[in-house]
Amino acid sequence: DGGITQSPKYLFRKEGQNVTLSCEQNLNHDAMYWYRQDPGQGLRLIYYSQIVNDFQKGDIAEGYSVSREKKESFPLTVTSAQKNPTAFYLCASRSREKREGLRGTGELFFGEGSRLTVL
Amino acid sequence: SQQGEEDPQALSIQEGENATMNCSYKTSINNLQWYRQNSGRGLVHLILIRSNEREKHSGRLRVTLDTSKKSSSLLITASRAADTASYFCATDVALRNQFYFGTGTSLTVIP
Repeated sequence: DGGITQSPKYLFRKEGQNVTLSCEQNLNHDAMYWYRQDPGQGLRLIYYSQIVNDFQKGDIAEGYSVSREKKESFPLTVTSAQKNPTAFYLCASRSREKREGLRGTGELFFGEGSRLTVL
Repeated sequence: SQQGEEDPQALSIQEGENATMNCSYKTSINNLQWYRQNSGRGLVHLILIRSNEREKHSGRLRVTLDTSKKSSSLLITASRAADTASYFCATDVALRNQFYFGTGTSLTVIP
């Protein structure tokens, strides 16, 4: 079945350590996104990528890094520079509508999330 | 911040009643989408409404969009206990390839 897989589901980190969250999709989507969700809040965009080997910062990119070497993969590294990394991290990919005459883009498909806790 | 606002923040209703939640946003959009999130899970797409549409239906869902007021509403009719979740609106902002999410409405449907 097609979908997005995030791993690990739960991750614990000591202060000062970098950690990498995996996101893999087999939907053949070009665009991929990383969001952060804090308790009781909406999603905030960290980074996004429209195409392989290209990515842009979102609203809260400081302390995070990404790579997009393959279409299927968009890993997120939470570095020691991120002051408050404890959060729920969500990866998404987007289908692009190909029908002419329609504006806008398709829906986002989400993974099941990774919950990072800093000890 | 370009994040939208949703209200109410929390809503509790009896099974069978209708649930209405509202979303306001700040910029011009290509489309507006509604998502559902069960506790501790990823988001699931429910419905998309384009900027040139005013109303859309999908099963028990009805979405309206008023671009002059920069607002949208989601109506869930004949609610079920399984509808208990958080609901988010997301705006596909014109001229940018980004989605901005609202703060969410937590819906509890009491059996």
